Amino acid sequence: AQSVSQHNHHVILSEAASLELGCNYSYGGTVNLFWYVQYPGQHLQLLLKYFSGDPLVKGIKGFEAEFIKSKFSFNLRKPSVQWSDTAEYFCAAYNAGNMLTFGGGTRLMVKP
Amino acid sequence: EAQVTQNPRYLITVTGKKLTVTCSQNMNHEYMSWYRQDPGLGLRQIYYSMNVEVTDKGDVPEGYKVSRKEKRNFPLILESPSPNQTSLYFCASRYMGRVFFGPGTRLTVL
Repeated sequence: AQSVSQHNHHVILSEAASLELGCNYSYGGTVNLFWYVQYPGQHLQLLLKYFSGDPLVKGIKGFEAEFIKSKFSFNLRKPSVQWSDTAEYFCAAYNAGNMLTFGGGTRLMVKP
Repeated sequence: EAQVTQNPRYLITVTGKKLTVTCSQNMNHEYMSWYRQDPGLGLRQIYYSMNVEVTDKGDVPEGYKVSRKEKRNFPLILESPSPNQTSLYFCASRYMGRVFFGPGTRLTVL
């Protein structure tokens, strides 16, 4: 069965620090990958997605993610975080079997 | 406006009292699903539906039922809720890999 792992459950950074959140998936076939963000009290919003093509994907709010097929990874990055990036981040993978599987989430706190 | 709506947004109930959480989408999507979100576990799929009258179990279907009698609606039914079903529930619809989430329903079962 497909699974998605996020290594960091909680991350605390100061403003302007760089961010990298890890995500690994287990499915070996064609897979679509997503990062979602959930701000406090809100529902999930799509940050970015990878279907095919350039493995470096740029999303909203300055986020990007790199798909590395050999490592089954899709890590999320941002060069300089802001206090407003405080949220929970979810990696997700969708395969041809129509299952969208989420990782356990990473809570990011950015200190002003 | 394209959206997924859920009702109620908040619900406190007692063990064993049947409840239904409604979900509706206005985008004519065929695929709909229900997730529960629990700390440290992310979102886990409860049930999904590929189309009207077609439903299937996700990862954590025990204690839940769904129905899909029309394309726009996909209610989640808890026949006999238990405290371990206290959670945040999200309905979603999907088209071409793009997922639209509802605002969530926070359920507490006492």
